[in-house]
Amino acid sequence: QKEVEQDPGPLSVPEGAIVSLNCTYSNSAFQYFMWYRQYSRKGPELLMYTYSSGNKEDGRFTAQVDKSSKYISLFIRDSQPSDSATYLCATPMTLNQAGTALIFGKGTTLSVSS
Amino acid sequence: GAGVSQSPSNKVTEKGKDVELRCDPISGHTALYWYRQRLGQGLEFLIYFQGNSAPDKSGLPSDRFSAERTGESVSTLTIQRTQQEDSAVYLCASSRDLGDEQYFGPGTRLTVT
Repeated sequence: QKEVEQDPGPLSVPEGAIVSLNCTYSNSAFQYFMWYRQYSRKGPELLMYTYSSGNKEDGRFTAQVDKSSKYISLFIRDSQPSDSATYLCATPMTLNQAGTALIFGKGTTLSVSS
Repeated sequence: GAGVSQSPSNKVTEKGKDVELRCDPISGHTALYWYRQRLGQGLEFLIYFQGNSAPDKSGLPSDRFSAERTGESVSTLTIQRTQQEDSAVYLCASSRDLGDEQYFGPGTRLTVT
């Protein structure tokens, strides 16, 4: 089992819809979770991060962590065509020399039609 | 300010050839990472540099892969004797310090024919 699992989609919704993107993780030691957005032919950019359980809201975006079920979610309200991108969940892993790198899910490709 | 830049943006090479990919991190960022993104897959960590410390190579998939970094500036990822399974987008990221937000470059799309 991969450490971070994510359904790759694709997911197609009409403009204005509420979108739910989800990941599961296997290691209960993971504490810190991020959502990255990646437009076609671009590098990922950090969208939101959360620490521990609960919700975090930023405009139309809400990130949610449920540690009991090892489940993380990103909700997008009033989705726009400009939200069309691949969304990747990630969590830091400790490297051998005390640095950290990121473990990513496969990414979910979202398409919002006008 | 300028973000992370990578060159070339695209590279097509024949199986068995060596390739070099370049990353220019954000000025002042001490940490630099290389990741690989194969089609339909998430990003895979390859190697990490922090300041003048020895790099963490724990993610490199084989000894055909190597990377160097000059001080806290440019990094080069080298793949020797390329194979078709090396075809992927190679992404570089930098962060101000250990554990800080990572900023990604646009990637180099490598195709091995």
